[in-house]
Amino acid sequence: TQLLEQSPQFLSIQEGENLTVYCNSSSVFSSLQWYRQEPGEGPVLLVTVVTGGEVKKLKRLTFQFGDARKDSSLHITAAQPGDTGLYLCAGLVISNFGNEKLTFGTGTRLTIIP
Amino acid sequence: DADVTQTPRNRITKTGKRIMLECSQTKGHDRMYWYRQDPGLGLRLIYYSFDVKDINKGEISDGYSVSRQAQAKFSLSLESAIPNQTALYFCATSDSRTETQPQHFGDGTRLSIL
Repeated sequence: TQLLEQSPQFLSIQEGENLTVYCNSSSVFSSLQWYRQEPGEGPVLLVTVVTGGEVKKLKRLTFQFGDARKDSSLHITAAQPGDTGLYLCAGLVISNFGNEKLTFGTGTRLTIIP
Repeated sequence: DADVTQTPRNRITKTGKRIMLECSQTKGHDRMYWYRQDPGLGLRLIYYSFDVKDINKGEISDGYSVSRQAQAKFSLSLESAIPNQTALYFCATSDSRTETQPQHFGDGTRLSIL
């Protein structure tokens, strides 16, 4: 069973501060997705990273895929209250036989205090 | 209108009852999934279906069954509900033609078993 560990599990910071959330595994992934989930709603895809070392930016959010494609990070600059939510990473493994498996991380619950 | 619709949104029932959760989608995706979300455990896959004639067990299928009545509909049943099945349940879809398989989620069903 592939495990995707996210850290920290909970994070509460003041508006305007910077933060980084980590997603780590011992498995190699074909690609890795980041989702944000708000209360009463399902997760919504933010970004997908595919290439080892890839960096993608979405406004104040910066996503990086590790060189070995085993880990990823999400960095938020100047956090806003609208960034509050549960952040989930998900790694996709495609086997040599074409089987696909998407595994979700344990989640990071982020609260931005105004 | 929601692309992935789950009904009911909330359900409270008693131990031993049979429960069905419904999911329908207008995205035209061929793949559908049922996940369970518990605090600190992320999303865990219960069952998935790659087309109408295809049903596959996920990592936590015991105590659950599914039916893919049409490409747009995928229902989850708890034959005899037990309290540890209390959780938030999500239906999701994906398009097999998309290499990275991003998941499109409904807004969830909050299920409480007393």
